[in-house]
Amino acid sequence: DTAVSQTPKYLVTQMGNDKSIKCEQNLGHDTMYWYKQDSKKFLKIMFSYNNKELIINETVPNRFSPKSPDKAHLNLHINSLELGDSAVYFCASTREGSGAVGELFFGEGSRLTVL
Amino acid sequence: DAKTTQPNSMESNEEEPVHLPCNHSTISGTDYIHWYRQLPSQGPEYVIHGLTSNVNNRMASLAIAEDRKSSTLILHRATLRDAAVYYCILRDGPSGSRLTFGEGTQLTVNP
Repeated sequence: DTAVSQTPKYLVTQMGNDKSIKCEQNLGHDTMYWYKQDSKKFLKIMFSYNNKELIINETVPNRFSPKSPDKAHLNLHINSLELGDSAVYFCASTREGSGAVGELFFGEGSRLTVL
Repeated sequence: DAKTTQPNSMESNEEEPVHLPCNHSTISGTDYIHWYRQLPSQGPEYVIHGLTSNVNNRMASLAIAEDRKSSTLILHRATLRDAAVYYCILRDGPSGSRLTFGEGTQLTVNP
């Protein structure tokens, strides 16, 4: 069983559309993240949720809205897609309270291409 | 977050040891040193972490300088599967739930 799974793996869409990427983890973790990796391969944190509550919200346009229906899921919805949103988006999870020693488990990524 | 400095790229031969350096001269007393790697077309994966003492696990060893201003990730026998980008990351003890990635070192392993 995949620990952190993301769907879809690939997404090609037109500018202006709205799309969602789903993430599920079966590790029993309480904290989940979204990271963005751009064409230059820089990985940047976007959001973090702990027990369905938002705890990290980096400087991300409000077109991006994370939603956590339960602690095993963290979905990313993107409105009015722009060319610059093209990237690979990674979901990750870790055990609550593990702080600086907890291992983050990452999904395989969802490659979004905006045309 | 305290900054780390790594070489952009390194090369190694298969079945030889690899020493990946990382400088973190502004490390604070509560920062843990973490290493992650990212294989091609995959998400990052945890390799190892430490605070002050050297650490070993099934994947690698971590050697931490006495003043903690630098560390070295050691792969004892490189395989082709170890070709990846290796990230050295500092995480603050009290509040370090996030990982802040730098540019990492692209390791090439030659057969």
